[in-house]
Amino acid sequence: AQRVTQPEKLLSVFKGAPVELKCNYSYSGSPELFWYVQYSRQRLQLLLRHISRESIKGFTADLNKGETSFHLKKPFAQEEDSAMYYCALTRGYNKLIFGAGTRLAVHP
Amino acid sequence: SAVISQKPSRDICQRGTSLTIQCQVDSQVTMMFWYRQQPGQSLTLIATANQGSEATYESGFVIDKFPISRPNLTFSTLTVSNMSPEDSSIYLCSVGQSSYEQYFGPGTRLTVT
Repeated sequence: AQRVTQPEKLLSVFKGAPVELKCNYSYSGSPELFWYVQYSRQRLQLLLRHISRESIKGFTADLNKGETSFHLKKPFAQEEDSAMYYCALTRGYNKLIFGAGTRLAVHP
Repeated sequence: SAVISQKPSRDICQRGTSLTIQCQVDSQVTMMFWYRQQPGQSLTLIATANQGSEATYESGFVIDKFPISRPNLTFSTLTVSNMSPEDSSIYLCSVGQSSYEQYFGPGTRLTVT
C-alpha cells in the first residue's frame, strides 16, 4: 500500500535549535516526494521537492531509498518556521498522498 | 504559479442538504483536484476533475455523493450531497502544473449540524 507516515504530531523546539521532521513512505516504484507547509492563516504551499535537491528557507530534505525516508531538516530554527508541515508523495498524474502532518512550534 | 479562489470560504449546513463549492483559477489548467481534510486529519484526494470528461474518483468516494463539474479549463465545482455531520471538513481545490507542483486554494470549511 502507498503510504506516508509522519510519526510526530507536534515538534516543539527553541529558536536556534536544529530541527528534523520525520517522514517515511511506502511506495512500489520510484516515488516523487515533497514537503508542503501551511503557515497560520495561509494556504498550503510547496516547500521543496526531492527531485530539485534545493534548500528553501534553510530547509533541506534528502531522499533515502534504503530507509524509505525523506526527513526535513534545518540547522537553526526560526520563530517564523512555526507552521504545519506535510510530507507527500505523488502516485503519478499529480495525485498526492499526504502524511498526517507535523506541527512545528519554535519558541523564542 | 496559479492563483486559486474558492467559494464559499465557510458554511454551516443542515444534515440532508447539499452544498456546492466553487473553484476558480486565474489561468487555464489541465488538471484540477479536490481534497478533503477532516478535523485533525490529513488531506485525502477525493477526485480529479477533468475538462471534457467525467471526474475520476478515488477509492471510497463516489459520484452520487460528490458530483463534480468541470465546464472549462479555469473552473470546477464540487457538490457535497445529502450531508451528514461526518462530512464536516475542509474541502480544498488544487491545480497541477508541470514538474508535479500543485497549487492549493484557501479551502472551504464546512460544518454540518
